Amino acid sequence: AQRVTQPEKLLSVFKGAPVELKCNYSYSGSPELFWYVQYSRQRLQLLLRHISRESIKGFTADLNKGETSFHLKKPFAQEEDSAMYYCALSGNNYGQNFVFGPGTRLSVLP
Amino acid sequence: DAGVTQSPTHLIKTRGQQVTLRCSPKSGHDTVSWYQQALGQGPQFIFQYYEEEERQRGNFPDRFSGHQFPNYSSELNVNALLLGDSALYLCASRGAGSTTEAFFGQGTRLTVV
Repeated sequence: AQRVTQPEKLLSVFKGAPVELKCNYSYSGSPELFWYVQYSRQRLQLLLRHISRESIKGFTADLNKGETSFHLKKPFAQEEDSAMYYCALSGNNYGQNFVFGPGTRLSVLP
Repeated sequence: DAGVTQSPTHLIKTRGQQVTLRCSPKSGHDTVSWYQQALGQGPQFIFQYYEEEERQRGNFPDRFSGHQFPNYSSELNVNALLLGDSALYLCASRGAGSTTEAFFGQGTRLTVV
C-alpha cells in the first residue's frame, strides 16, 4: 500500500533555530518524493522534489531509501517559513498523481 | 497567466443534492487531477483526466464523476451528497511528461448540511 506519514501535526521553533520536518513513506517500487508548502491564504505549491536535488529557500531534503524517509531540513528557520508542509509521493503506477501525508504546521516564533 | 482557476470558491449544499465544481488548467497544461482535502488531512486523489478521458482513479465511489472538455477544462460532479463529502476540493494541472510540475488551484470549499 502507498502511504505517507508525517508524525508531527505541529512543530514550533524559534527564529534562527534548525528545523526538521519528518516524512516517512511506504511504497513497493521507486517513488518520486516531494515537499509541498501552503502559506497562509495561498495555494499549495511545490517546494522541492528529490530528483532535482536542489535547495529551495534554504530547505533541503534527502531521500533515504533504506529508512524510507524524506525529511525536510533547514539550518536556520525564518518567520516567513511558517506554513503548512505536506510530504507527497508519486509512483510510476500512480499516473504521476500524489499520495499526500497529513501535513505538519510549522510555526516559527520571533 | 492566472494559473489554475477553480469555481465557485465556496458553496453550501443539502444532503442528497448534486454538485458540479469547475477547473480551468494553467495555460499549456492538458492533464487535470482532482483531490479532496478533508479538514486536518492531506489532499486525497480522486481522479485524473487527460485527452477527455479518466485515466486514473483513487478510492472514491461512483458518486464522484468528472469530465474534461476539448479546451482541457474539467468538471467534478458529486451525486447524492453526504455530510462526509464536506471538504476542500482541489484541482491540479500539469503539462505532458512525467517530470512536469503540477500546479494547484485555490480550491472549492464544499459544505454539505
